[in-house]
Amino acid sequence: EVQLVESGGGLVQPGRSLRLSCAASGFTFDDYAMHWVRQAPGKGLEWVSGISWNSGSIGYADSVKGRFTISRDNAKNSLYLQMNSLRAEDTALYYCAKGQTLVVPAATLDYWGQGTLVTVSS
Amino acid sequence: QSALTQPASVSGSPGQSITISCTGTSSDVGGYNYVSWYQQHPGKAPKLMIYEVSNRPSGVSNRFSGSKSGNTASLTISGLQAEDEADYYCSSYTSSSTLFGGGTKLTVL
Repeated sequence: EVQLVESGGGLVQPGRSLRLSCAASGFTFDDYAMHWVRQAPGKGLEWVSGISWNSGSIGYADSVKGRFTISRDNAKNSLYLQMNSLRAEDTALYYCAKGQTLVVPAATLDYWGQGTLVTVSS
Repeated sequence: QSALTQPASVSGSPGQSITISCTGTSSDVGGYNYVSWYQQHPGKAPKLMIYEVSNRPSGVSNRFSGSKSGNTASLTISGLQAEDEADYYCSSYTSSSTLFGGGTKLTVL
């Protein structure tokens, strides 16, 4: 059974940093691209970033480019999102999602975690 | 890039069929056969319902079907059931990102 478990969310002041993690199990982690998708309270889904199976290809939404960094550790079956210079508009539930293929961008996200909440507020 | 356009809400009675549209451009929906649909119940994670326009993952009811014409994709749910009440999101591959629609709230009357 595929499982994706996010952690690292919390309350953070504007301008500060936070690092999210996603622990994956139930599939061969290094065979697939992985992604972060966020959902602001009461709003829709927004793709944030994706990383290919070997970290050779990475993409970011314009809204986070230059501030967020995605990475993965295939030996630990883990995905990360380093978020710097956080803004109030980054407040959202952040989901880790498995791509259906090796590469980014994703055509299909076939499994999702339950999300970790990031709140940016003073 | 702008989000894909979906109606904010649709409704139907049990047993009826409904269709949710998802309109993009030739750079996304119209340019690739890579449209997906996700179902999200309140407080839950999204669940993949349709991928590559019209394919159903294992375990998804055949009451759910997808199609595409030009720059508009559609999700049809037939034999509407109470458990289908949820938010539905379309997404499309683009050359640089994954684009989502704004979401459609389905109400089963």
